[in-house]
Order: sequence, then C-alpha cells, then structure tokens
Amino acid sequence: AQSVAQPEDQVNVAEGNPLTVKCTYSVSGNPYLFWYVQYPNRGLQFLLKYITGDNLVKGSYGFEAEFNKSQTSFHLKKPSALVSDSALYFCAVRVHSGTYKYIFGTGTRLKVLA
Amino acid sequence: SQTIHQWPATLVQPVGSPLSLECTVEGTSNPNLYWYRQAAGRGLQLLFYSVGIGQISSEVPQNLSASRPQDRQFILSSKKLLLSDSGFYLCAWRGQSQETQYFGPGTRLLVL
Repeated sequence: AQSVAQPEDQVNVAEGNPLTVKCTYSVSGNPYLFWYVQYPNRGLQFLLKYITGDNLVKGSYGFEAEFNKSQTSFHLKKPSALVSDSALYFCAVRVHSGTYKYIFGTGTRLKVLA
Repeated sequence: SQTIHQWPATLVQPVGSPLSLECTVEGTSNPNLYWYRQAAGRGLQLLFYSVGIGQISSEVPQNLSASRPQDRQFILSSKKLLLSDSGFYLCAWRGQSQETQYFGPGTRLLVL
C-alpha cells in the first residue's frame, strides 16, 4: 500500500538552531513529494516539491528538503529556525489512481522556542 | 494568478440540519478539484474529487455528497448533519498540467 509516514508528532527546537522534520514514503514508481505548512485555522500552504533532478530542493521561507531514494525519505530542513516557523507541517506524495491524488502524512507540529 | 475561495469560513449547525459548503477557483480552467476533511487539527482525509463538470468520485462512504455544477465551482453538501461531521473542511485544486495541489482557506464546521 502506498503511504507517507511522519514519525514525530511534535518537534521542539530553539530559535536559531537548525530544524529537521522527518518524512518517509512508500510508493510504486518515481515519487512526486511535497511539503505543506498549516497555521492555526488556515488552509495548507505549499512549501516545496520534489519531482526530479537535484536531491536538495529549496522552497519558501528558507525551507529546503532532501530527497533520499535509498532511504525513501524526504526530510524538511531549515538552517536557522524562527519562532514564526511554529506550525503544523505535512508531507505528501502524489499517486495515480483514476486521477492524481495526494496521500498526506499525519502531520508534525513544530514548536520553535525563543 | 489563481486564487481559491471557500465560504463560509465558520459554520455552527444543529444535528439533522442540511449543509452546503462552497468552493470556487479563479484564474484557471478545468482544474481538478478536491474536498478534504481534517479532524482534530491533524491528518487530512480525502472525501471527493472531480476532474470535470458533473464528474464526482467519492473516496469514502458517508453522510456527505459533492457536486460540480460549473467548471470552477465545487460544492459539499449533506441532507442531515451528524455530530461526527464536525471538522475543518478544505477544498483544493490542481491545474491539469501541474504537479502541485493548492488549498483554500478552509471552513470550520461545528455540529451541535
């Protein structure tokens, strides 16, 4: 079965420190991978995607993600966390079943401490 | 540029009442449209998707239905709401030749 896993419910990091939010996937074929961020009572905002090419992709707000095919992972990273980065982060993979659909992880709550 | 709207933003309804949530997309044609429900601020559950006018696919059997009367309009409905229908409802769109799905601002539904 195709799936996405975010093993951490919550990640705490001090402001100014690097952050990593983990994501692993299980899909057939080449994966199209995405990261979204959600602030309270808001919709999901697209951060970045991996389709093909360079394994390190850069996105909005200084975030980047590293695709690792052998480990089937797509971890979200940022060199220096801000308090304003505190939010709920979702990893997703696109699959084809009739049409293109998206499987989302359960989300990781990032808390950046001042 | 493309934008997606959802209304209402918040809705409080009694059990057994009907429901109609609306989603519209601007700045694109023939988008793929999706309805999700997010319970308890966590995972997203795909409810319906549509690849064109009048074409609706349901992902899970439940108390809800969807319709697409116009190219850029997607409506989520119920004839009789249940307590378990409470949640945050998100509409999303994807362009026909695009990889990325984009989300609307969401509707918070509370059924009492």
